[in-house]
Amino acid sequence: SAVISQKPSRDICQRGTSLTIQCQVDSQVTMMFWYRQQPGQSLTLIATANQGSEATYESGFVIDKFPISRPNLTFSTLTVSNMSPEDSSIYLCSVEVGLAGNYNEQFFGPGTRLTVL
Amino acid sequence: GENVEQHPSTLSVQEGDSAVIKCTYSDSASNYFPWYKQELGKRPQLIIDIRSNVGEKKDQRIAVTLNKTAKHFSLHITETQPEDSAVYFCAPNPELTFGTGTRLQVTL
Repeated sequence: SAVISQKPSRDICQRGTSLTIQCQVDSQVTMMFWYRQQPGQSLTLIATANQGSEATYESGFVIDKFPISRPNLTFSTLTVSNMSPEDSSIYLCSVEVGLAGNYNEQFFGPGTRLTVL
Repeated sequence: GENVEQHPSTLSVQEGDSAVIKCTYSDSASNYFPWYKQELGKRPQLIIDIRSNVGEKKDQRIAVTLNKTAKHFSLHITETQPEDSAVYFCAPNPELTFGTGTRLQVTL
């Protein structure tokens, strides 16, 4: 299993500012993922972050808006840049832990609830 | 990307009844089929999963069935309890696409 923590747990920000969310895992993992979950909606993958390489972004998400760092195997940050009210959401980090038979189980952080005024 | 749909989107059952949620996916390469439960204000947590070489798996009151030919898998909850009330998501792997979610409400 994996224990994941995120900081901050919540924040209220002014439009036009940026917020950096931190994700810490209690074990070394190869792949970390950042999701967005808007109120009442499903989880949408923003990007995949591998240590030592550029993050891979999903359609609709760009590096300039959501820069990601992955300095080591237990830590990652996601920045939400130049925020607007539409960025109000819960942001969750996630990791995959390998299971027997080449399958991976996902574990999630507690999420960061962002409100942009 | 993969299309993942869940039905129904909302489900209300009386305590003690059974609940069934169906997940339909499009990627024939999917080989791992988990279900996540997300209680209000909390993170998603894995409750049961099934692999492509198995048709059914049961864990106490929860079971998952898989039909790879038809590309769907279902979550079955028997003897529902109020604490089963939550949103349930499927997420067929290896794609990291989550289903649309099903809000289950168990009433007394």
